[in-house]
Amino acid sequence: GQQLNQSPQSMFIQEGEDVSMNCTSSSIFNTWLWYKQDPGEGPVLLIALYKAGELTSNGRLTAQFGITRKDSFLNISASIPSDVGIYFCAGPRVSGGTSYGKLTFGQGTILTVHP
Amino acid sequence: DTGVSQNPRHKITKRGQNVTFRCDPISEHNRLYWYRQTLGQGPEFLTYFQNEAQLEKSRLLSDRFSAERPKGSFSTLEIQRTEQGDSAMYLCASSLGLAEHNEQFFGPGTRLTVL
Repeated sequence: GQQLNQSPQSMFIQEGEDVSMNCTSSSIFNTWLWYKQDPGEGPVLLIALYKAGELTSNGRLTAQFGITRKDSFLNISASIPSDVGIYFCAGPRVSGGTSYGKLTFGQGTILTVHP
Repeated sequence: DTGVSQNPRHKITKRGQNVTFRCDPISEHNRLYWYRQTLGQGPEFLTYFQNEAQLEKSRLLSDRFSAERPKGSFSTLEIQRTEQGDSAMYLCASSLGLAEHNEQFFGPGTRLTVL
């Protein structure tokens, strides 16, 4: 089945630093979604990407949909303590060129920001 | 509308008991999804509904699990004869169900602990 591999698994950074994480797959995706999850809460949608090569920003967050449609990255600039959490990439299953409902998630990148 | 809501937020039960969780999606969303998340992992798909029709079930959804969405609005997930391995966070999400845009918005989850 379709699997998403996220790297790195965890990051420890100083406040103010920039962060980059990525997500790769052996299969193509038509949509890439990036979520952030705080402990004990549900994932919160950060950015949605729909076209290969698309670069989208949301405040200090920037994400790109890879040209091959098999990867995506998320950058966070000037990190702050509230950026702490687990970041997940996700995408809907694709079969015959059509996206279906259920999302496949990566295993997450744990971000820790030291003040 | 304040988003997807789930009740209860926490449930502790003894092995062998039945439990039922409720999800209220965003009001105009016709798709509703259930996922399960264990510690250190991304959410895993269980099942989803388009209006009141249950369109897909994961093989993770054993015979002890049943989900309903009787009027196409809220949904319930029941687990019968709970086992310790059922302990997890159960997440509900909803979306508009558009073919090319599948942004799913998650609720806060129900944390199940089976003793």
